[in-house]
Amino acid sequence: EAGVAQSPRYKIIEKRQSVAFWCNPISGHATLYWYQQILGQGPKLLIQFQNNGVVDDSQLPKDRFSAERLKGVDSTLKIQPAKLEDSAVYLCASSSIAGGPVETQYFGPGTRLLVL
Amino acid sequence: RKEVEQDPGPFNVPEGATVAFNCTYSNSASQSFFWYRQDCRKEPKLLMSVYSSGNEDGRFTAQLNRASQYISLLIRDSKLSDSATYLCGLSGSARQLTFGSGTQLTVLP
Repeated sequence: EAGVAQSPRYKIIEKRQSVAFWCNPISGHATLYWYQQILGQGPKLLIQFQNNGVVDDSQLPKDRFSAERLKGVDSTLKIQPAKLEDSAVYLCASSSIAGGPVETQYFGPGTRLLVL
Repeated sequence: RKEVEQDPGPFNVPEGATVAFNCTYSNSASQSFFWYRQDCRKEPKLLMSVYSSGNEDGRFTAQLNRASQYISLLIRDSKLSDSATYLCGLSGSARQLTFGSGTQLTVLP
């Protein structure tokens, strides 16, 4: 089974520039998550999609971050304009609706962003 | 107070040692609990889920104490390959994971 795919793997931009990340979840997984992981910290949820609808975006800095999952499959996360503090690894994860109490999230390899 | 707290370590232990990590959480409504392993510059990977009755997978044992609001991970007979950062994660009804900052483990030869 193919895992969660993300691209690009690395990105270096200057502050105030724009950047976009792409994620393709595991086939059939209805739920997709974007996390931000700053060095030395655990991943922090930015946004959760269920199919093409947003379940939770309460921690997404909406003045500069946006995300979409138009067809309920792949997703893009955009930052515009970027700030120095956005330097982090952006992780995409997906999970299926198994119906049980415990649901495994599978993470992609992440996009490592450096803002100069 | 952070929602999920872990001792960042580092824990440096010799091969064959037993090591234990704790993770405390503040939200008593949390429903599901997990331990993830993250190797350097890699993505987190699920190590094990944590159940109220406790669960064991080979050398790894996880426990949940709802009354005291913590989960634990015990690693017996540590191997060099166990060196990694161990993240605890918990989720509520919306199935979103909230992670701790991780505990760094280095197993020394």
